[in-house]
Amino acid sequence: NAGVTQTPKFRILKIGQSMTLQCTQDMNHNYMYWYRQDPGMGLKLIYYSVGAGITDKGEVPNGYNVSRSTTEDFPLRLELAAPSQTSVYFCASSHRGTGTYTDTQYFGPGTRLTVL
Amino acid sequence: GQQLNQSPQSMFIQEGEDVSMNCTSSSIFNTWLWYKQDPGEGPVLLIALYKAGELTSNGRLTAQFGITRKDSFLNISASIPSDVGIYFCAGMNYGGSQGNLIFGKGTKLSVKP
Repeated sequence: NAGVTQTPKFRILKIGQSMTLQCTQDMNHNYMYWYRQDPGMGLKLIYYSVGAGITDKGEVPNGYNVSRSTTEDFPLRLELAAPSQTSVYFCASSHRGTGTYTDTQYFGPGTRLTVL
Repeated sequence: GQQLNQSPQSMFIQEGEDVSMNCTSSSIFNTWLWYKQDPGEGPVLLIALYKAGELTSNGRLTAQFGITRKDSFLNISASIPSDVGIYFCAGMNYGGSQGNLIFGKGTKLSVKP
């Protein structure tokens, strides 16, 4: 299993440009998440999905959109990039079973985004 | 929203020394997690705690879920150079469909050989 993969690893955008950060997991996990990590800070949740076709906002959703058409993929879209979106973005997935002991979140390697 | 205070912010220790770090919250959690992040990588789960008072070990790492459910501690014994990295605590409450982890700001650990 490759686990959680993210592309691209690095990207530089100009203000106002748009892009999609890709995330794929091959563990058949039903839950997927997008986080951003700013320098010296912990991770903050942008959006999450509990299954194909279902998404919900996290703590910092403004400026982002997501979709979940398949179990494996959970892309994150930036429509009008702003300097405040300069960050490292992490995708994660977990299997939320019927018990509370199954929800271990596995993280991808991250996408480092700079908006100039 | 819920806040996690993680301390210390950074530690610079000698190889072989023991390390302690902790996390406190303004409200209770029913799950505490400890992650390690290496440079350029995503966080990797080290230890998960699910019950107040629980003490769990993973090799040289030991973590405890505080009785009040508002804090957690991570200890690393006999540190080695590969322990270098940033350690994050995270709290979570189960309920409904939300899977929201609240992260601390991290403890940056440096180990001098």
